[in-house]
Amino acid sequence: DAKTTQPNSMESNEEEPVHLPCNHSTISGTDYIHWYRQLPSQGPEYVIHGLTSNVNNRMASLAIAEDRKSSTLILHRATLRDAAVYYCILRDSFQAGTALIFGKGTTLSVSS
Amino acid sequence: DVKVTQSSRYLVKRTGEKVFLECVQDMDHENMFWYRQDPGLGLRLIYFSYDVKMKEKGDIPEGYSVSREKKERFSLILESASTNQTSMYLCASSFAGPSTDTQYFGPGTRLTVL
Repeated sequence: DAKTTQPNSMESNEEEPVHLPCNHSTISGTDYIHWYRQLPSQGPEYVIHGLTSNVNNRMASLAIAEDRKSSTLILHRATLRDAAVYYCILRDSFQAGTALIFGKGTTLSVSS
Repeated sequence: DVKVTQSSRYLVKRTGEKVFLECVQDMDHENMFWYRQDPGLGLRLIYFSYDVKMKEKGDIPEGYSVSREKKERFSLILESASTNQTSMYLCASSFAGPSTDTQYFGPGTRLTVL
């Protein structure tokens, strides 16, 4: 499986944008980039995913580098509720229906 | 919004007891999963089901069984609870098919076995 590398932790202030990076230099052409997050004492939550083009939804934006070797999850205005562990995962289409494998992720702290 | 619910948020059981954890999803998903999450070990798949009455072992099925009699409900059974089964248990569901690979998780059940 292609690996991802994320910083262990990041800090942000409330109402500021947050850019969470993910490196995936061995990504294959059919790998989708998925982001999940896990708030304290909660189950993981899907955030966003994409293949090649940048993606936006109500929670976040996903910016994918042209060579697809890296991506960035963008939270446009961080709130205290966004403090969580964020996981970047690569999933090939044939992996649908199989277990998600989370790495260590990035722990995001948000200060008021 | 997709909703996955789990029968309990917190559960305390004694060694040797039979434990039932229930999971219900309301989005007509074909796939359902049971994971456990432990510090430093990440998410580990116990069992998954891709259809009613169908089940597949995950990475750590020993000591567990599952039941899926209805599409919306997937139960995890600890036949005889042991202290090493103290953990956070997470249920998830997803549609079948390669273009719909998003898994939706329940809030989790934190099980303590004494």
